[in-house]
Amino acid sequence: QQQVKQSPQSLIVQKGGISIINCAYENTAFDYFPWYQQFPGKGPALLIAIRPDVSEKKEGRFTISFNKSAKQFSLHIMDSQPGDSATYFCAATPIKAAGNKLTFGGGTRVLVKP
Amino acid sequence: DAGVIQSPRHEVTEMGQEVTLRCKPISGHDYLFWYRQTMMRGLELLIYFNNNVPIDDSGMPEDRFSAKMPNASFSTLKIQPSEPRDSAVYFCASRLPGPLRNEQFFGPGTRLTVL
Repeated sequence: QQQVKQSPQSLIVQKGGISIINCAYENTAFDYFPWYQQFPGKGPALLIAIRPDVSEKKEGRFTISFNKSAKQFSLHIMDSQPGDSATYFCAATPIKAAGNKLTFGGGTRVLVKP
Repeated sequence: DAGVIQSPRHEVTEMGQEVTLRCKPISGHDYLFWYRQTMMRGLELLIYFNNNVPIDDSGMPEDRFSAKMPNASFSTLKIQPSEPRDSAVYFCASRLPGPLRNEQFFGPGTRLTVL
């Protein structure tokens, strides 16, 4: 019940295209869903996050879509740029649980070709 | 403001040797997390501390691994004896207190290679 399944493992997109990464979870106690971005040689960094009281959150070119009934959420990167080439991790946690342990998906390596 | 600081950045050692990884969290953060990242298993939480006290060490792979946090500004992760399968990138992360302050700030990681 603690798993977060992420797909695809990797994707290649042309500059200006849309990158879409999907995640699914089982634990209905999860109520905070962040996405982390990791560049080679660096630690992950928070990109954007969503609570289940909204179905969509947008920050610049990055949008999270959330489907509570399906227990799925996704990251859309609009107008993808070469600088977006990185590994993206979805995660989930019960927001008020002690420590807010994050359960991470397996990661998606995104390559944006110029 | 300095972020989470980890040392060393790279460590190469031989099987059987003791390895100590170090972490300095961001000042004021009272949660500290140790993660391991590998291609096969992704990002795994090993242990986390709150106010210097270990809260959950269920992710520590075995007795060869131990972690301490003697004060609010320093933590160590020790592997003794090390094995080739311990080769991975180890991350330390910290976050602010409070249930709604959820962002974890990760350090740059320590790349460990055990020969």
